[in-house]
Amino acid sequence: EAGVVQSPRYKIIEKKQPVAFWCNPISGHNTLYWYRQNLGQGPELLIRYENEEAVDDSQLPKDRFSAERLKGVDSTLKIQPAELGDSAVYLCASSLDRPGSGTDTQYFGPGTRLTVL
Amino acid sequence: AQKITQTQPGMFVQEKEAVTLDCTYDTSDPSYGLFWYKQPSSGEMIFLIYQGSYDQQNATEGRYSLNFQKARKSANLVISASQLGDSAMYFCAMREGPGAGNMLTFGGGTRLMVKP
Repeated sequence: EAGVVQSPRYKIIEKKQPVAFWCNPISGHNTLYWYRQNLGQGPELLIRYENEEAVDDSQLPKDRFSAERLKGVDSTLKIQPAELGDSAVYLCASSLDRPGSGTDTQYFGPGTRLTVL
Repeated sequence: AQKITQTQPGMFVQEKEAVTLDCTYDTSDPSYGLFWYKQPSSGEMIFLIYQGSYDQQNATEGRYSLNFQKARKSANLVISASQLGDSAMYFCAMREGPGAGNMLTFGGGTRLMVKP
């Protein structure tokens, strides 16, 4: 079974430029997450989708960040314009959420390492 | 207050020996789950082990076991018979209750280095 796929793996851009990250979750997983991981820290949730619906985007800086999950499968996270402080690893994860299940393990992709110059 | 605390920024262990990575958590929710992930230099977060707050026994997965002490709010990861490939960052994470929408809160991580 294929894992979570992300592209690109690395991206270097100049500040004020736009950038987009793509994620393909594990087949059949209904919930998708985007996390940001700053250097030396644990990941922090940016947005969570249940199927096509964004159910938790409270940590997403909406002035410059946007995300979409069309058809409830692939997702794209965009930053426009990028700032120096956006340099981080952006991780995508997916899970199969079943009512009443306590485990619902999240499986992560390899991440996209963004460097803003 | 930090919800997940990992007090060991870095740990060394000799190959083939056991090592314990510490994790304490803070929650008032009676229903929660605790996870450990491994992050090698390649960047991917690899799920290792899960412990539910109502689980009576400590979770085990191969060489990984979770020393769950509910009263102390600790969920330490024990790796037995360390291997060179175990060198990586290890993150403890918590999911709080059904109402938390399966959001994970991560600790700051512990870097484990296995010496040959």
